[in-house]
Amino acid sequence: SAVISQKPSRDICQRGTSLTIQCQVDSQVTMMFWYRQQPGQSLTLIATANQGSEATYESGFVIDKFPISRPNLTFSTLTVSNMSPEDSSIYLCSVETGVGQETQYFGPGTRLLVL
Amino acid sequence: AQSVTQLDSHVSVSEGTPVLLRCNYSSSYSPSLFWYVQHPNKGLQLLLKYTSAATLVKGINGFEAEFKKSETSFHLTKPSAHMSDAAEYFCVVSDGGYQKVTFGTGTKLQVIP
Repeated sequence: SAVISQKPSRDICQRGTSLTIQCQVDSQVTMMFWYRQQPGQSLTLIATANQGSEATYESGFVIDKFPISRPNLTFSTLTVSNMSPEDSSIYLCSVETGVGQETQYFGPGTRLLVL
Repeated sequence: AQSVTQLDSHVSVSEGTPVLLRCNYSSSYSPSLFWYVQHPNKGLQLLLKYTSAATLVKGINGFEAEFKKSETSFHLTKPSAHMSDAAEYFCVVSDGGYQKVTFGTGTKLQVIP
């Protein structure tokens, strides 16, 4: 398994601003993922972030809105840019701990409210 | 393509009675299946996973799930509900050929004292 922390745990932001969410893992991992969980909804994958390559975005998500960095094997950031109230969600990062493991372990999430 | 359907959005049981949360899946490959639990204002915790070994999978906190290929089901059960089981439960499928997973819509479990 893996221990994952996220910062900030929650934030309230004004529309038009940007917020960067950090995800830190206690071990080196290849695969990191960013999800969005809108109020009362299930999880939707935003993108997959592998170290040393560009993030791969899912349909409906674009790099200009959700730029991702993955500078090393234990850290990643997700930026929510030019926010609107529709971006109010929980943002979660997750990791897979080994090749072929498939099991994903999740961080505690960042609760974002955009006014 | 893969998909997962959680048949009940809400389930309510009395404390001490059995729990059944239903999940059906669709996958083009031999799937891996997972159940996660999310307590209020908490992250997701892995309860159990099936990855083509034994079809009856035991997880944490007394939960178990049975993989039934003929029924394309992976229902989650627990013999006796505890108040601390009140949470939202997500069934998840991975087709194994690609590491993307698909989440079900979730089932909120209410436990009545």
